[in-house]
Amino acid sequence: DQQVKQNSPSLSVQEGRISILNCDYTNSMFDYFLWYKKYPAEGPTFLISISSIKDKNEDGRFTVFLNKSAKHLSLHIVPSQPGDSAVYFCAARQGAQKLVFGQGTRLTINP
Amino acid sequence: NAGVTQTPKFQVLKTGQSMTLQCAQDMNHNSMYWYRQDPGMGLRLIYYSASEGTTDKGEVPNGYNVSRLNKREFSLRLESAAPSQTSVYFCASSEGRYNEQFFGPGTRLTVL
Repeated sequence: DQQVKQNSPSLSVQEGRISILNCDYTNSMFDYFLWYKKYPAEGPTFLISISSIKDKNEDGRFTVFLNKSAKHLSLHIVPSQPGDSAVYFCAARQGAQKLVFGQGTRLTINP
Repeated sequence: NAGVTQTPKFQVLKTGQSMTLQCAQDMNHNSMYWYRQDPGMGLRLIYYSASEGTTDKGEVPNGYNVSRLNKREFSLRLESAAPSQTSVYFCASSEGRYNEQFFGPGTRLTVL
C-alpha cells in the first residue's frame, strides 16, 4: 500500500507563474517531510523540508505547506524558472532511519 | 568532497549473471541506503545500514544482498540477475536527526 502518494505524474507551468506540487500521505506517525528534486541522469537532491509541528517552511522561491488534518503537503515554487524543470519527489520520515517516497511529479516550465 | 559515488554508471547483464554495485561516501555519515527507481514507482528502499556492522531489509529486498564493508562503503549484490531487476539504482547516505539523505548519481542496470 502506497503510504506517500503524488497523484499528478506531470505538471506544466508557464515561466514566471507559480508551480504547486501536491503530496498525500496515509500514516499519521510520519513526523518529518522532505522534497527532493531530480534532473535526468542525476541522483535526487534535497530541496526543502518541514517538521510535523509546523505548517509552513519557506526557503527563497520554495515554500512547503503541511496540512496535518488532511494528511497533505504541497510545494510552491514562485516564480517558476526554466531550471526548475525536473522530477520532484516528496518523502516522509518513517522511524529514525527510513524515508518513504512518493512516485514523483515531472514539472515542466514553459518559456 | 565527492559526496556519494557509485560504480558502475551503466551495466548490462544476462539473466542469471551476478554483479556487485559499489557505493562510497566521504561525508562520514553513519547511515547508508540502496534504492531502486522504476517508472511510476518512485524510489523504493532495498536495504539500509544504520551504522557500520548493521544491515536491514527495506521494502523490496528479494533477490539482493548487501555488505557494509566499512563506514564509507556499502555494496549491493545481485546473485542471479532477473529481468525484473532492470532499474536505476541509487545509493544514499545520511546523518543527523532529520535523516536528510544525500544521493549518488545512480547506476542504470539492464538485465536481458
